[in-house]
Amino acid sequence: NAGVTQTPKFRILKIGQSMTLQCTQDMNHNYMYWYRQDPGMGLKLIYYSVGAGITDKGEVPNGYNVSRSTTEDFPLRLELAAPSQTSVYFCASSYLGSYGYTFGSGTRLTVV
Amino acid sequence: KQEVTQIPAALSVPEGENLVLNCSFTDSAIYNLQWFRQDPGKGLTSLLLIQSSQREQTSGRLNASLDKSSGRSTLYIAASQPGDSATYLCAVKGNSGNTPLVFGKGTRLSVIA
Repeated sequence: NAGVTQTPKFRILKIGQSMTLQCTQDMNHNYMYWYRQDPGMGLKLIYYSVGAGITDKGEVPNGYNVSRSTTEDFPLRLELAAPSQTSVYFCASSYLGSYGYTFGSGTRLTVV
Repeated sequence: KQEVTQIPAALSVPEGENLVLNCSFTDSAIYNLQWFRQDPGKGLTSLLLIQSSQREQTSGRLNASLDKSSGRSTLYIAASQPGDSATYLCAVKGNSGNTPLVFGKGTRLSVIA
């Protein structure tokens, strides 16, 4: 059972480039989340989804987009990378919103 | 808006000590509270989940308590070991609808052999 899988693990982007962070889970969880973690800070929610076709903004959604076409996948898109988006990105899932979360191992992104 | 605070931000203890990590939250209308462990450069591992109706949860040397009315939770680690060195994060889920977890900034623990 793989749990939550994130790819890539590391990435360096130039300012203005775009990329997609992939997240997939094999636990048939309805809820999926994207968080970012900056050094010395807690995790801040970017976007979340309560099921296929349904997404909603979190605390820091600007500069990001998401889609949820299947239960398993929840990609995060950066359209015009900026240095402020340098961070570690975590994807998580839960069976229902009230259940415990399972996290992926993270994607470390640097924008230069 | 829910805010979660963890004190202390960092803690260094000798091996074998019992220790307590603190978490406080501003809105007591929570559904549950979860403690996570994060090793450097790694993801988060769930340690304990306490539902709002519960007072505590235990797993091995770990015990987490919840006092919802006062907006506090503690994570007690017994007989600490160097392998316990990590950052410990507290997160709360609100009562309303699809409110996701809100995280504290964590406590960085170092257990010295």
